[in-house]
Amino acid sequence: NAGVMQNPRHLVRRRGQEARLRCSPMKGHSHVYWYRQLPEEGLKFMVYLQKENIIDESGMPKERFSAEFPKEGPSILRIQQVVRGDSAAYFCASSTDRGLQETQYFGPGTRLLVL
Amino acid sequence: GDSVTQMEGPVTLSEEAFLTINCTYTATGYPSLFWYVQYPGEGLQLLLKATKADDKGSNKGFEATYRKETTSFHLEKGSVQVSDSAVYFCALSDSGSARQLTFGSGTQLTVLP
Repeated sequence: NAGVMQNPRHLVRRRGQEARLRCSPMKGHSHVYWYRQLPEEGLKFMVYLQKENIIDESGMPKERFSAEFPKEGPSILRIQQVVRGDSAAYFCASSTDRGLQETQYFGPGTRLLVL
Repeated sequence: GDSVTQMEGPVTLSEEAFLTINCTYTATGYPSLFWYVQYPGEGLQLLLKATKADDKGSNKGFEATYRKETTSFHLEKGSVQVSDSAVYFCALSDSGSARQLTFGSGTQLTVLP
């Protein structure tokens, strides 16, 4: 059973460009979460999605950031007009639908560098 | 709001030494508690968890007990190995929240041969 997959693993963008990060959850998982890890810090929650629905986006910056989890295909975290402060590791996690305390399983992350 | 406070690192130990990494939490509901481990260049792996007070989570020689009275979930291992070198994150999932995990800042552990 493949784990959570993320691509690309590394992404370099210049200021003002767009970054698209993809996440495929574990087989059988219908819940996806995105977290951001700034250098030397812990992970910070960004957004929680189910298929075709955003459930909680309380951790998402109000501008330039968006996320989706379509009926078919991976979840996408999109960052428009990137700035140097967006440089971070972005982790996706997934879980089943068996209750609030269900364990989240993490992907390897996408390391975004903005030049 | 919810928060997790972890013992600051880095921590450097010799092989076979005893490990303790302290973790305390603040939560509004009845959280589940987790320890995740992150090896260099990789994502987080679940190490162990506990879902209610007095539960003990254990895995690969690591243990942590959910102490509601002290709001703590300290990670321990009796004899560390070089392969345990990694960053360790304490986290909680509050029953009152929409599933998001709240993480501590992480503790870098280096085990020397």
